[in-house]
Amino acid sequence: GPKVLQIPSHQIIDMGQMVTLNCDPVSNHLYFYWYKQILGQQMEFLVNFYNGKVMEKSKLFKDQFSVERPDGSYFTLKIQPTALEDSAVYFCASSRLGGDTLYFGAGTRLSVL
Amino acid sequence: GDSVTQTEGPVTLSEGTSLTVNCSYETKQYPTLFWYVQYPGEGPQLLFKVPKANEKGSNRGFEATYNKEATSFHLQKASVQESDSAVYYCAPPSVGDNSKLIWGLGTSLVVNP
Repeated sequence: GPKVLQIPSHQIIDMGQMVTLNCDPVSNHLYFYWYKQILGQQMEFLVNFYNGKVMEKSKLFKDQFSVERPDGSYFTLKIQPTALEDSAVYFCASSRLGGDTLYFGAGTRLSVL
Repeated sequence: GDSVTQTEGPVTLSEGTSLTVNCSYETKQYPTLFWYVQYPGEGPQLLFKVPKANEKGSNRGFEATYNKEATSFHLQKASVQESDSAVYYCAPPSVGDNSKLIWGLGTSLVVNP
């Protein structure tokens, strides 16, 4: 089936530094999402993105977070600066249409030290 | 606002026994309903979806009926296998924003051989 690729699978970073998580969504999908999952806890919506713009973001999407997809390349989540509480697995997802089936990547485990 | 409530996990079963994971939702409209499954170390993936009220969806022996009157979408399987061990999410989309799914806490299922 369709695949979403996330790079890297694990990132270790010192608190205060910047990190960029990369996502290669399914090629003909139009909607892109980031979710955060702390170990053993529920999947939490961060943001969705369509037509070059953030459509909706949750209260977890702090001012230090930003997303973009320049020229149809990777869909990225940037955190600058990172904080200890940002440690989690971040999942990227994409869908062809809004409200349609989401296809998830395997996640990027972010460890902020 | 829209919300979803699932059976609290973990649910521990022996192989060959039956499974029911309750899912109740609150929404003012009747969107497509989804069940996703997340295996250890992976992102969630679609188990099946049901676009219309009072219809049934199924996949890999799992099934659920979209009960419009009871606002329920309970997941059932007659005979579970060890390979079914995973976290199951009932995810009705947020009606206010069709591109964002509401995620419940998920129900962790452990099937012992």
